Amino acid sequence: ETGVTQSPTHLIKTRGQQVTLRCSSQSGHNTVSWYQQALGQGPQFIFQYYREEENGRGNFPPRFSGLQFPNYSSELNVNALELDDSALYLCASSFRAGGDYEQYFGPGTRLTVT
Amino acid sequence: GNSVTQMEGPVTLSEEAFLTINCTYTATGYPSLFWYVQYPGEGLQLLLKATKADDKGSNKGFEATYRKETTSFHLEKGSVQVSDSAVYFCALSDDGGSQGNLIFGKGTKLSVKP
Repeated sequence: ETGVTQSPTHLIKTRGQQVTLRCSSQSGHNTVSWYQQALGQGPQFIFQYYREEENGRGNFPPRFSGLQFPNYSSELNVNALELDDSALYLCASSFRAGGDYEQYFGPGTRLTVT
Repeated sequence: GNSVTQMEGPVTLSEEAFLTINCTYTATGYPSLFWYVQYPGEGLQLLLKATKADDKGSNKGFEATYRKETTSFHLEKGSVQVSDSAVYFCALSDDGGSQGNLIFGKGTKLSVKP
């Protein structure tokens, strides 16, 4: 148990729709990262939020956006869903106070786009 | 760009067998290297890490040594157990030793038979 929870566990959406995935970080963690894990692949970094500001982004288009809230929760929003967005979405929280900090991963949300 | 390559799975071993999962990387500078484990239905968990050349990370009987000359970080365990069955991911971070932006390999599924 990492203390990081995600909701929902599974989700089915139609191409073109919008989706919001949620993550609840460990208490006190000021940083959250989101990753996309396609079937049979390793996770790919989407973006990171630190103290409610975006603090780094991977190679994902602007229709992937996020929010981080003061209560340690965060959201990943994806607009105009495409079939290739079907994947497991992982969030990872951490407390960033210096150079080295460990990320704690949630169990993920499985998104299927039809 | 930076990348991680790890051996294809699945790997099937008998209990008490010796395990090696190969991992090589391509990176500029001096990345930190990690092994993560993903048990069925759970999120990723950090297994071990090494932040500089010749460092050896170890945890739960698993070991990996950061070899800069061969750009490798192979995972080893002398005697595997059924409970070690999981997917193992090699990863690197070039974010100054933090784990803000992890680059993962595709993962290697390990099955250990009694």
